[in-house]
Amino acid sequence: SQKIEQNSEALNIQEGKTATLTCNYTNYSPAYLQWYRQDPGRGPVFLLLIRENEKEKRKERLKVTFDTTLKQSLFHITASQPADSATYLCAQPYGGSQGNLIFGKGTKLSVKP
Amino acid sequence: EPEVTQTPSHQVTQMGQEVILRCVPISNHLYFYWYRQILGQKVEFLVSFYNNEISEKSEIFDDQFSVERPDGSNFTLKIRSTKLEDSAMYFCASSAGQGQPQHFGDGTRLSIL
Repeated sequence: SQKIEQNSEALNIQEGKTATLTCNYTNYSPAYLQWYRQDPGRGPVFLLLIRENEKEKRKERLKVTFDTTLKQSLFHITASQPADSATYLCAQPYGGSQGNLIFGKGTKLSVKP
Repeated sequence: EPEVTQTPSHQVTQMGQEVILRCVPISNHLYFYWYRQILGQKVEFLVSFYNNEISEKSEIFDDQFSVERPDGSNFTLKIRSTKLEDSAMYFCASSAGQGQPQHFGDGTRLSIL
């Protein structure tokens, strides 16, 4: 069955460093991947979408890559700030669906001042 | 910026009772979704809705669940006879198109006693 995994449940880094989060998928090659941020008690907030024909996408301090050979996406936050502390979710469309998403369990990022 | 709104923010219900969770998607969006998140677990897809009908549903979305778009602005999820295991956060989302970023509300926390 289709799986999407975020290997690290938690990541602790120092302010100013680059955070790198990993998302791996199996058994299906998605047309795109999406990254969301979720704060406690809140709904996911869309950050970036990267399509299978795109190697890299950037938005301000965020960068996402998509390696279809490794079946992996990396999500980077450069010059991290304590305000970046949150859970980051990776998601892919479910099979041939009309955009229904399968989410990873997320990586909880803590940025220490 | 337009947002998805959900009411109520918290619903407490006795087991066996019916609940209706309400959502107002972003006005020009065409695709609507319900997801749930059991405490500490992944966000899980329930159902998608397009052109006034269900387009896809997951195994979780059994006969006790139904969705409706009664008046062109609201989008509701009804759970007919609630069970203890229905306790979760329920998120509504909408998107402008298939495969486009999804915009989530902040959820309804459903507690079944």
